[in-house]
Amino acid sequence: SQQGEEDPQALSIQEGENATMNCSYKTSINNLQWYRQNSGRGLVHLILIRSNEREKHSGRLRVTLDTSKKSSSLLITASRAADTASYFCATDESNFGNEKLTFGTGTRLTIIP
Amino acid sequence: GAGVSQSPRYKVTKRGQDVALRCDPISGHVSLYWYRQALGQGPEFLTYFNYEAQQDKSGLPNDRFSAERPEGSISTLTIQRTEQRDSAMYRCASSLDRGREQFFGPGTRLTVL
Repeated sequence: SQQGEEDPQALSIQEGENATMNCSYKTSINNLQWYRQNSGRGLVHLILIRSNEREKHSGRLRVTLDTSKKSSSLLITASRAADTASYFCATDESNFGNEKLTFGTGTRLTIIP
Repeated sequence: GAGVSQSPRYKVTKRGQDVALRCDPISGHVSLYWYRQALGQGPEFLTYFNYEAQQDKSGLPNDRFSAERPEGSISTLTIQRTEQRDSAMYRCASSLDRGREQFFGPGTRLTVL
């Protein structure tokens, strides 16, 4: 079963615009991780945000976490064609006995040149 | 020293045959995870090791699936008497320790005819 749900399921924007993807989850977490996957290929780790953090930055990526609402968002600024991919959030409940990552359903992002 | 490696990358087998999928984690990573990913979905957890101990196998679909990590490094996922519904991408991930970033290998695409 999949805990997280990404919103929207698909997003198309013009190159240079910002892209925002949201993730909602159901249980208490230790951390939340975002991954990128290009055309069914490998999963690339983007960023990890811990439950006691509210915002984290990495290059053009900005992740927020609201544990009271059980939601996270991923913002990609100044998008590029190479950002076209599926983006997944994954929750880690390892402080609560579950060591696995539980993935969402993914957002398919298309950057139009 | 690079990332997580998996072999074979592609495996085509006939129904009823046994298959063994191999995962070589990042050197020094204590935790190793197996996931299965269907097309268009996020990965789903199968099993998890801490060193050589299998800590959680709750995601294994049935008793035809088993995994081992005898020396706390390389792991093998074995599927006995394969069925067509076993066809999927099987992904391995490793992390330095529980609750840390999980880094994924390229996966093994299994096709059961």
